[in-house]
Amino acid sequence: NAGVMQNPRHLVRRRGQEARLRCSPMKGHSHVYWYRQLPEEGLKFMVYLQKENIIDESGMPKERFSAEFPKEGPSILRIQQVVRGDSAAYFCASSPPTGTSEAFFGQGTRLTVV
Amino acid sequence: SQKIEQNSEALNIQEGKTATLTCNYTNYSPAYLQWYRQDPGRGPVFLLLIRENEKEKRKERLKVTFDTTLKQSLFHITASQPADSATYLCAPSGDSWGKFQFGAGTQVVVTP
Repeated sequence: NAGVMQNPRHLVRRRGQEARLRCSPMKGHSHVYWYRQLPEEGLKFMVYLQKENIIDESGMPKERFSAEFPKEGPSILRIQQVVRGDSAAYFCASSPPTGTSEAFFGQGTRLTVV
Repeated sequence: SQKIEQNSEALNIQEGKTATLTCNYTNYSPAYLQWYRQDPGRGPVFLLLIRENEKEKRKERLKVTFDTTLKQSLFHITASQPADSATYLCAPSGDSWGKFQFGAGTQVVVTP
């Protein structure tokens, strides 16, 4: 059973471009979480999704950021018109649909905006 | 607003000693609390989960306590080893919608 897969592992974008980060949850998991981590800082919650639904996006910046988790395919975190301040590691985690369970994390995507 | 506090300063400890980390939370009523380990450049890895009706949980050299009155969890690494050097994150969970919020983490450095 493969773990949470994130791609790409490293992404370089010029200011103003779009960044698309992908996350394939573990098999059987229908809950996906996205987090941002700046160097020397903790994980900041961004958004919590279930299949085709955004459950909680209270940590998402109001502009330029969006996330989806379609019925088929990976979850996508999209950042439009990137700025240098968007440079960070973005982690995705997944958990099963029922009961008390831990979150399983991917290895992250390191976004660098130049 | 909900707040999770962990020791911000790195914990430097000698090999063989016990490391104790603190996690305090406010404006939460978590049904359970989790601890994770994060190594540089990698995603967090789950270590232990303790429920609100459990006072203590152990796993090998790790021990977690959960005091819902104090709104605090303590995480102990006994007989610490250099391989235990990492950042440890706590996550009070199960409050609503299953959202996972993490503390900023405490870095542990175990020296031989």
